[in-house]
Amino acid sequence: KNQVEQSPQSLIILEGKNCTLQCNYTVSPFSNLRWYKQDTGRGPVSLTIMTFSENTKSNGRYTATLDADTKQSSLHITASQLSDSASYICVVKEASASKLTFGTGTRLQVTL
Amino acid sequence: GAGVSQSPSNKVTEKGKDVELRCDPISGHTALYWYRQSLGQGLEFLIYFQGNSAPDKSGLPSDRFSAERTGGSVSTLTIQRTQQEDSAVYLCASSVQQGGGAFFGQGTRLTVV
Repeated sequence: KNQVEQSPQSLIILEGKNCTLQCNYTVSPFSNLRWYKQDTGRGPVSLTIMTFSENTKSNGRYTATLDADTKQSSLHITASQLSDSASYICVVKEASASKLTFGTGTRLQVTL
Repeated sequence: GAGVSQSPSNKVTEKGKDVELRCDPISGHTALYWYRQSLGQGLEFLIYFQGNSAPDKSGLPSDRFSAERTGGSVSTLTIQRTQQEDSAVYLCASSVQQGGGAFFGQGTRLTVV
């Protein structure tokens, strides 16, 4: 059964600090992996997409990494801001099927 | 519309009542997902529709929950005899069959009192 596990479930950090969110998956064969950000009261929006051949991709202060061998991805947030407070969701697509598998998300709170 | 549209955005209902939540996916998206987020919890898969295939209902928590997708487009999630533990944000997402990522609606916040 395809699964996507995210850790930690929740995280509190001080403004300006860095943090890393983890996503482990069992989806195979792998097609792509997306990280979404969900602000409070809003629907999730895509931050970045990683395909099999990509190891690192940046979007501003967000950097996603992918290790397709170990089936792990991380989302690193640099110099966090209060506006980074949100839920971050990892979604993996299987190559041979259309269904996406969603992680349960990590809730990040950035405080002063 | 340009995005996934969900209605209503907020719904307050009395315990025991039935509710219907609606999702209008992006035109042409063959895949549609329903998820829910309870307060302080992560995403919980409910049901998945793909084209004309039989839906994957494996995430529906009880037989009070049902969903249909008419004409391969609009979907309705129905909760019968609502309970307080049904209070959550119900999210709908759609995607194209091949390669595309999911696009989410804004969600319906359901409160059962």
